[in-house]
Amino acid sequence: DAGVTQSPTHLIKTRGQHVTLRCSPISGHKSVSWYQQVLGQGPQFIFQYYEKEERGRGNFPDRFSARQFPNYSSELNVNALLLGDSALYLCASSGGGYTDTQYFGPGTRLTVL
Amino acid sequence: TQLLEQSPQFLSIQEGENLTVYCNSSSVFSSLQWYRQEPGEGPVLLVTVVTGGEVKKLKRLTFQFGDARKDSSLHITAAQPGDTGLYLCAGEGGTSYGKLTFGQGTILTVHP
Repeated sequence: DAGVTQSPTHLIKTRGQHVTLRCSPISGHKSVSWYQQVLGQGPQFIFQYYEKEERGRGNFPDRFSARQFPNYSSELNVNALLLGDSALYLCASSGGGYTDTQYFGPGTRLTVL
Repeated sequence: TQLLEQSPQFLSIQEGENLTVYCNSSSVFSSLQWYRQEPGEGPVLLVTVVTGGEVKKLKRLTFQFGDARKDSSLHITAAQPGDTGLYLCAGEGGTSYGKLTFGQGTILTVHP
């Protein structure tokens, strides 16, 4: 079975632009979480979605938004990009239970110039 | 705000040596997970510990959850070059549903 897939793999944007990152969960998984991993640090929680509803939100500005589609895939949108948004963006999928293991995708490397 | 302090941040050792990585917090977690991450890839789950005082072994890796469920350790016996990577601890059970709180990671390099 395929694992969590993310696209694109790499992305270069300039300050002020907008970006959309995509994630497809493991088949049968209904929950998707997004994390930001800045170089040299551990991942930081951004959002969790379950059955198309936001179920958790981390401490990120409103420039960050996400949604989940009926097929459980998800998009993360970031508006008005800043240099500090440069990071590896990770998507994780799980069954949806509170203690279900989260399985991570390979991430999207975003560079903001 | 829940925080996980992971130490050491960097570890460079010779093949065959033993090592321990620590993960500490002032907060209680319902479970604590250890991940390993290779460059250009997402974190891969190694183990989940749930019960205070729990010890789990995975070949040469031994994981322990503190009695108060605030800290954990990862011990590797006879490290091998294939153990090289970024090791992350992550706690679950925060105020935000489904949120994993990660430590800053330990970069382990095992020299042949």
